[in-house]
Amino acid sequence: NAGVTQTPKFQVLKTGQSMTLQCAQDMNHNSMYWYRQDPGMGLRLIYYSASEGTTDKGEVPNGYNVSRLNKREFSLRLESAAPSQTSVYFCASSEGSGAAEKLFFGSGTQLSVL
Amino acid sequence: GDSVTQMEGPVTLSEEAFLTINCTYTATGYPSLFWYVQYPGEGLQLLLKATKADDKGSNKGFEATYRKETTSFHLEKGSVQVSDSAVYFCALSDPRSGTASKLTFGTGTRLQVTL
Repeated sequence: NAGVTQTPKFQVLKTGQSMTLQCAQDMNHNSMYWYRQDPGMGLRLIYYSASEGTTDKGEVPNGYNVSRLNKREFSLRLESAAPSQTSVYFCASSEGSGAAEKLFFGSGTQLSVL
Repeated sequence: GDSVTQMEGPVTLSEEAFLTINCTYTATGYPSLFWYVQYPGEGLQLLLKATKADDKGSNKGFEATYRKETTSFHLEKGSVQVSDSAVYFCALSDPRSGTASKLTFGTGTRLQVTL
């Protein structure tokens, strides 16, 4: 029962470095999402993929890129990390794209940018 | 745009106390409403949801009723346990937002239950 798997769990970067956060789901879900969680701000949507082959910007996409590699995998890339991107990142998936869909979340990646 | 406002935490209760966590929302249309829970070191899990006015979502002793007249979706539980200690997030999803179930979250309320 893996569900949504994120790697790595922890990462420390220096300003300007790049990295890719990986996410995979084994539930045959169509839609996938990347959120960031910051203290006092709840979760904010970075990018999403409603279906394989499509990606769209969410509320806070600046500084990030995504790739929906296949139906299972959805990666988030930071090309040039900045201290403002220090956050906890969550990947999520849902079976469909309706408003009442249940989202399944991974356990998160804690990223620090120095 | 859409927004969700939750009561500030932390909320500290003794075991078996009654819990209420307030949540109000702003949305132009008729959103679906959710409560998600985050246990320490884990991702969020759906606790309950309601998709139309006057619907009551319930799960694990928690309840919330979709009140359109007051734009609220308050979370309640009659008797909390230590194991309920977690962060609770209220969220909405606007069906007019197009493809994908894009959630707008509140800031979260931390609940600490003591013996």
